[in-house]
Amino acid sequence: RKEVEQDPGPFNVPEGATVAFNCTYSNSASQSFFWYRQDCRKEPKLLMSVYSSGNEDGRFTAQLNRASQYISLLIRDSKLSDSATYLCVVISGGSNYKLTFGKGTLLTVNP
Amino acid sequence: SQTIHQWPATLVQPVGSPLSLECTVEGTSNPNLYWYRQAAGRGLQLLFYSIGIGQISSEVPQNLSASRPQDRQFILSSKKLLLSDSGFYLCAWSLGGAGNSPLHFGNGTRLTVT
Repeated sequence: RKEVEQDPGPFNVPEGATVAFNCTYSNSASQSFFWYRQDCRKEPKLLMSVYSSGNEDGRFTAQLNRASQYISLLIRDSKLSDSATYLCVVISGGSNYKLTFGKGTLLTVNP
Repeated sequence: SQTIHQWPATLVQPVGSPLSLECTVEGTSNPNLYWYRQAAGRGLQLLFYSIGIGQISSEVPQNLSASRPQDRQFILSSKKLLLSDSGFYLCAWSLGGAGNSPLHFGNGTRLTVT
């Protein structure tokens, strides 16, 4: 089983739709989790951290399920500008300095 | 505030030529520094990371090397490039001493080996 796995998509949704991505991780000792956004041919940018109790930032909601070892990202009221690749990132307990990236989920929001 | 500078933005090099990519961070001390590579259509691969001056950890065997001559400077090098070295190279930093902090990336260098 890979350390971090994501559905590669692509997800094609209309403007205004709600879309959710999941990301599973294999190391139960994983400590920290993040979602990044990467636009085509650009560097990844931190979207949000994922906290144990779940957290929300505007239209974005991140959740952590430790029992099932996955994190999720929910985007409400999708905008055209949300089109990007979304990467989940896990910091495993073995090395606090090494972050493992998923391969990303491609989202396209259509007008 | 912290900033990260990475250059050049694009680079075209012939097979067998040397490589030197440089990255500097401003606005923080003793950051953790990273080099990642992203091949076309693929995920991010961690190449090297450093938690202090002169300390380098290598994640994958390859013909690349990294050095950290100063606290906030990280250099990626190769003596002889291979075609397979083509890709998008990303430098990143995170807070030193805070092992659970997120990464912040530079703008990247798009390397094409011909």
